[in-house]
Amino acid sequence: GAVVSQHPSRVICKSGTSVKIECRSLDFQATTMFWYRQFPKQSLMLMATSNEGSKATYEQGVEKDKFLINHASLTLSTLTVTSAHPEDSSFYICSARGGLVWETQYFGPGTRLLVL
Amino acid sequence: GENVEQHPSTLSVQEGDSAVIKCTYSDSASNYFPWYKQELGKRPQLIIDIRSNVGEKKDQRIAVTLNKTAKHFSLHITETQPEDSAVYFCAAASRGYSTLTFGKGTMLLVSP
Repeated sequence: GAVVSQHPSRVICKSGTSVKIECRSLDFQATTMFWYRQFPKQSLMLMATSNEGSKATYEQGVEKDKFLINHASLTLSTLTVTSAHPEDSSFYICSARGGLVWETQYFGPGTRLLVL
Repeated sequence: GENVEQHPSTLSVQEGDSAVIKCTYSDSASNYFPWYKQELGKRPQLIIDIRSNVGEKKDQRIAVTLNKTAKHFSLHITETQPEDSAVYFCAAASRGYSTLTFGKGTMLLVSP
């Protein structure tokens, strides 16, 4: 149980385009989803917290107009990187909370974004 | 906000040895401490967690200890195996479990 999927797993795009990443909880209702960014050989940096039906809460330094988050249902959250630039290239991972153990976050497999 | 320090950054052991990874946290209100294992290019996976009302928890070869007074917690892996090789992250949750703050990670290398 507590499986989280993420799509796509990899994406390459041109500078200036927008990219949408989906995060789904497959076997539980995720009251809260989180979006992280991870640089090579570094830790997970929380970008934003997303609650179903309400606006996301962004961490300090994360541009909300740049990283649009939508949590339209209890099983789906999306992150859209708008007008992507090479410095946005990174590994983006979502997590979801709301399974059997309420406090636990279950992670998706991540999306590797490369902006050319 | 919360700050989590993790040591060491890398740890090399021989198969069968024990490995210990230590973390400290700053927010005395933190009350949930999970440990995640992340293999290269893969998702972090929860391996064990502990709450502030418990001092120690074990699950087969893995154990976690928590010292609330000193604000530190440790991961202990006994009888290490090559498949234990990965990056391990500790984390602390505060604000009513709202968010996790992660340590910088420890790369564990277990040599056969």
